[in-house]
Amino acid sequence: KQEVTQIPAALSVPEGENLVLNCSFTDSAIYNLQWFRQDPGKGLTSLLLIQSSQREQTSGRLNASLDKSSGRSTLYIAASQPGDSATYLCVPTEDTNAGKSTFGDGTTLTVKP
Amino acid sequence: GAGVSQTPSNKVTEKGKYVELRCDPISGHTALYWYRQSLGQGPEFLIYFQGTGAADDSGLPNDRFFAVRPEGSVSTLKIQRTERGDSAVYLCASSLRQGVMNEQFFGPGTRLTVL
Repeated sequence: KQEVTQIPAALSVPEGENLVLNCSFTDSAIYNLQWFRQDPGKGLTSLLLIQSSQREQTSGRLNASLDKSSGRSTLYIAASQPGDSATYLCVPTEDTNAGKSTFGDGTTLTVKP
Repeated sequence: GAGVSQTPSNKVTEKGKYVELRCDPISGHTALYWYRQSLGQGPEFLIYFQGTGAADDSGLPNDRFFAVRPEGSVSTLKIQRTERGDSAVYLCASSLRQGVMNEQFFGPGTRLTVL
């Protein structure tokens, strides 16, 4: 059974800092890994999707890396802004016909002005 | 609509009642997923549909939970004899098709409160 761990559980930084969110997963047989953002009381917004054959994906100030063999992914946020405050979720999808996705409990980020 | 929609947005019911939660996926998406999210935790997988059939229902907690997708589009999650522990946000997601570029798009969720 896939288990996903996200460290730290919570993070508070001043505006402008670069930061890294860490994710580890126990089963490396994944098809892809997706990073989501969730705002309080809202649904999930997809940020980046990395296919298992890829090492990283970039979108604006966000960069996600994937080391499938070691079961790790990181989300790098450059020049953080107060609007980045949210919970960030790491989601590997298993490499089977069912393609089940497993969520971590997330890292809750607060960026202070 | 452009995205995944879920109705109702909020549902309050009494213990022992029956509830139905509805999900309208993005048009053309063949894969549909249901998740449950408790406060402070990440979403927990419940069931996955590919077309009309449930490809994986291993996440359903017990036989009080059931989901259907009769025409391969709209899905309904049904909960019988609700219990207070069923209170959570129920999220639905869809993707173009399973396997290839399995990017999931989520709806806003239904917040279920069982009194």
